[in-house]
Amino acid sequence: DIVMTQSPLSLSVTPGEPASISCTSSQSLLHDNGFNYLDWYLQKPGQSPQLLIYLRSNRASGVPDRFSASGSGTDFTLKISKVETEDVGVYYCMQSLQTPVTFGPGTRVQIK
Amino acid sequence: EVQLVESGGGFVQPGRSLRLSCEASGFTFNDYAMFWVRQSPGKGLEWVAGINWNGDKIKYADSVKGRFTCSRDNAKNSLYLQMDSLRPDDSALYYCVKDVGSGLGAGVRLDPWGQGTLVTVSS
Repeated sequence: DIVMTQSPLSLSVTPGEPASISCTSSQSLLHDNGFNYLDWYLQKPGQSPQLLIYLRSNRASGVPDRFSASGSGTDFTLKISKVETEDVGVYYCMQSLQTPVTFGPGTRVQIK
Repeated sequence: EVQLVESGGGFVQPGRSLRLSCEASGFTFNDYAMFWVRQSPGKGLEWVAGINWNGDKIKYADSVKGRFTCSRDNAKNSLYLQMDSLRPDDSALYYCVKDVGSGLGAGVRLDPWGQGTLVTVSS
């Protein structure tokens, strides 16, 4: 199985400041078709996870453009340009190149 | 609006069985693959099983293979997870999740997720 790791595991951010989360996979997520099969999910407090970013850098419907993502192969990054209070929660990266899909351990983002 | 409503969770002793159900609405159920994903405090998010649009292709996590059976009834817009020989480490919140595609190949995209049903396995 592909192992996903994230860093940091916890992040405390001042509103309006940027935030960055790294995700690393144990195998390349770059498919022969040129797509990186890496998604990001956000689980807000008391809610189910929701899709945030798919195929490395595509924002899901309704996701604000302060969220961006990049990377290729085994190293990926999620960035929030200016954190807002509604962005608190746990962020998970997930690979969908192979079954079983596997998730990172999550990064908890809190507001200072 | 897409809705996924899980049911069937509960408290059960080790070795016993439970059957989870997920009732879907707001989309053409038989056009999409569906998944079960669980979340426990100790293990985070874990994919459990996936089933393609017509149910003829099913995949399981190694941790549940041989004990859990995933199925669907497209006429009833419903997804099921039969869980046998339950163990304490199966305790988790079980989510029903819709894919954006119909198969089980690369590119699974889990959207949206239901609210989950809680399974507790303990003596």
